Amino acid sequence: GAGVSQSPSNKVTEKGKDVELRCDPISGHTALYWYRQSLGQGLEFLIYFQGNSAPDKSGLPSDRFSAERTGGSVSTLTIQRTQQEDSAVYLCASSLRGLRTGELFFGEGSRLTVL
Amino acid sequence: DQQVKQNSPSLSVQEGRISILNCDYTNSMFDYFLWYKKYPAEGPTFLISISSIKDKNEDGRFTVFLNKSAKHLSLHIVPSQPGDSAVYFCAANAGGTSYGKLTFGQGTILTVHP
Repeated sequence: GAGVSQSPSNKVTEKGKDVELRCDPISGHTALYWYRQSLGQGLEFLIYFQGNSAPDKSGLPSDRFSAERTGGSVSTLTIQRTQQEDSAVYLCASSLRGLRTGELFFGEGSRLTVL
Repeated sequence: DQQVKQNSPSLSVQEGRISILNCDYTNSMFDYFLWYKKYPAEGPTFLISISSIKDKNEDGRFTVFLNKSAKHLSLHIVPSQPGDSAVYFCAANAGGTSYGKLTFGQGTILTVHP
């Protein structure tokens, strides 16, 4: 499809395990964002990639979280040594230009459950 | 510290009537505001935005009002339709080094009854 694609759609893991979440942005979109939504909460910013610039990592909650974007396209969010409070829906978005000049297109999210 | 607040968790209106969703913010550095709509099991979709240099922006049935002195914005939907039933999030951006970051409210569940 032409939208933002995320995988897996659902992931159940045990506390202490590492997980990787993948995002395939819309082709040609230079900006990519990761957010998460915990139960009953709004969306929380995690990280922002824009072209070849250094990413804005200011929203990552701890050093267990990291993200990379390879070749300016696909992005992977990695959570090491998962904790129960990491349980959330992780949403990826992309935009052609900045968020002020165009829409952010969100994927359907990856639901992570840490037991 | 919740910088963007939507104090009404839910709102119920009759089809054809006006829906008014409210949002308050505390950070005076925010100068761009957006509304997103979210259906269950889907990602949020962009509705409408407003820059702080304006106090109103319209797009069809959707109008966003911004009151900078009160640090308050609202989304008006007229007339409301059953298909508008969804969770609505307001979001704010401060620009500068926070250019890529949106701060979201907790969301308001809108239900439009036929």
